[in-house]
Amino acid sequence: QQPVQSPQAVILREGEDAVINCSSSKALYSVHWYRQKHGEAPVFLMILLKGGEQKGHEKISASFNEKKQQSSLYLTASQLSYSGTYFCGTGEYGGSQGNLIFGKGTKLSVKP
Amino acid sequence: DAGVIQSPRHEVTEMGQEVTLRCKPISGHDYLFWYRQTMMRGLELLIYFNNNVPIDDSGMPEDRFSAKMPNASFSTLKIQPSEPRDSAVYFCASSLGHSYNEQFFGPGTRLTVL
Repeated sequence: QQPVQSPQAVILREGEDAVINCSSSKALYSVHWYRQKHGEAPVFLMILLKGGEQKGHEKISASFNEKKQQSSLYLTASQLSYSGTYFCGTGEYGGSQGNLIFGKGTKLSVKP
Repeated sequence: DAGVIQSPRHEVTEMGQEVTLRCKPISGHDYLFWYRQTMMRGLELLIYFNNNVPIDDSGMPEDRFSAKMPNASFSTLKIQPSEPRDSAVYFCASSLGHSYNEQFFGPGTRLTVL
């Protein structure tokens, strides 16, 4: 079951904050976040495992609410380099262990 | 480290032709994944291998698609015969250890079937 990401697109000015949400109808044991720049391959940002953990990566952090089957990616004080499409990939209970199901992505544009 | 290597980077072919995409994972990685990306469907997992053995091919669209991993450093994805709806970017990715771990993606092969 493909997770739903919101918003589909967001435009920011440098220095502004953004939140990207990922929601699934299935019970999850993991959520992965990737960023893809135009014409390039997806690049790993972070993995969150069951247990409601939060993680940080410079000014990008994320949370995973296992009970609500939701994850959020937080981008603070955005930089031009943050522009790209952000994908969440979910690992579902009962699914094949290596089978990540990716959302359709959130396109983030950061303007000067 | 060279990263995941894919070839060719671009492929243009005519409907009905056989297409073979190639991937060399990062040395030492024991998981290999094949994905397809389109605007309509996003990033879809086609098949993945663990220690050269196919584990889950439920994402392979139909019998026209086949994948092999004859050894730890090489995998192929073959489409025979190709159709225009197969046009997409095909990514190969590899990871080390548990399948939950970070996946390293190759640069992708952009396939156009006329």
